[in-house]
Amino acid sequence: QKEVEQDPGPLSVPEGAIVSLNCTYSNSAFQYFMWYRQYSRKGPELLMYTYSSGNKEDGRFTAQVDKSSKYISLFIRDSQPSDSATYLCAMEKNNNDMRFGAGTRLTVKP
Amino acid sequence: DAGVIQSPRHEVTEMGQEVTLRCKPISGHNSLFWYRQTMMRGLELLIYFNNNVPIDDSGMPEDRFSAKMPNASFSTLKIQPSEPRDSAVYFCASSRSPGQGGEKLFFGSGTQLSVL
Repeated sequence: QKEVEQDPGPLSVPEGAIVSLNCTYSNSAFQYFMWYRQYSRKGPELLMYTYSSGNKEDGRFTAQVDKSSKYISLFIRDSQPSDSATYLCAMEKNNNDMRFGAGTRLTVKP
Repeated sequence: DAGVIQSPRHEVTEMGQEVTLRCKPISGHNSLFWYRQTMMRGLELLIYFNNNVPIDDSGMPEDRFSAKMPNASFSTLKIQPSEPRDSAVYFCASSRSPGQGGEKLFFGSGTQLSVL
């Protein structure tokens, strides 16, 4: 079993839809939870960062962490074609060893 | 800020040849990471350096892979001899001092390696 599981999709939604992306993990030692966005032929860029459990909102994006269920989510409201990218969850203990999910490829159709 | 700079962007080589990938981290960043990305395995950490010292190389696939960081502004990842299964996108990333974790990683644009 992988430490971090993420459905690779692909996921296709119409513009304006709410998008839900999820990851599960097996190692309870993870404390830092991140979402990276990767456009085609580019490196990943940090989108959201959460420490421990809870919610964090940034504009149209909301990240949720449920440590009791070992489950993290990223919600995108009012999705735009410019949101089309691959979204990777990432998590880390406190030792700089970051583990990434496989990435979910999202397409938002106009 | 120019960001993390990787070269070359694309590399096509024949099996058995030596391949050298290069990375210039963001100035002032103390940690440097090499990742490999494939469809099958996703993004995998190969090795990371802190203050130019290799800290964890447990992700390096085998002895054919080696990485160096001779100074704070330059790192190389070398594959010798290369094999078709090494074909992937190789990313370099840097961050500030690792601290307690959760430091933001800044990725380069990657090197697309194809070994024929």
